[in-house]
Amino acid sequence: SQTIHQWPATLVQPVGSPLSLECTVEGTSNPNLYWYRQAAGRGLQLLFYSVGIGQISSEVPQNLSASRPQDRQFILSSKKLLLSDSGFYLCAWSPPLGPGQPQHFGDGTRLSIL
Amino acid sequence: AQSVTQPDIHITVSEGASLELRCNYSYGATPYLFWYVQSPGQGLQLLLKYFSGDTLVQGIKGFEAEFKRSQSSFNLRKPSVHWSDAAEYFCAVGGGGSYIPTFGRGTSLIVHP
Repeated sequence: SQTIHQWPATLVQPVGSPLSLECTVEGTSNPNLYWYRQAAGRGLQLLFYSVGIGQISSEVPQNLSASRPQDRQFILSSKKLLLSDSGFYLCAWSPPLGPGQPQHFGDGTRLSIL
Repeated sequence: AQSVTQPDIHITVSEGASLELRCNYSYGATPYLFWYVQSPGQGLQLLLKYFSGDTLVQGIKGFEAEFKRSQSSFNLRKPSVHWSDAAEYFCAVGGGGSYIPTFGRGTSLIVHP
């Protein structure tokens, strides 16, 4: 069966520090991968998605970036964090079977910026 | 463009009572529809999905949802709510050539003992 791992679960970082969040998927090949942010009490904001290695689409211009160095690895990064980057970050995958496939989410990373 | 509206930000029910969470969508063709549940501090878990066929869809944890094209709705129901159902519920719509579903803002379910 397929599983998704996301880490760390919790992270506290100072303003201006770098960020690296990692997500890996097991049990499937060539998944579509997604990064979302969820602010407190609000819905999901899609940040990036990828349909293949090295293919990244950005939905929201900001100081975050994403990379997909391997088929089942998706990394969210920042060179200098802002206070507004605080939130709950979720990684998700969906099968590479065309549009309309359900997404499967990791357990999330709670990021607090001090 | 597709959109999803969950009109209720919060819903409070008593344990054992029935539940209906509303979801209205906007989409030009037959949509793909999903309901997800999110417990505090956790990721989203897929409850059920509708692609085509029978408009009454059964999901996990005793939930069901009914697709009503004439009302552009996909409401989630459960006949008897348990305290463990307290969570955030998200409706999502997808379709066309896009891999990206559109999520509603969510409905927070509070269950009173």
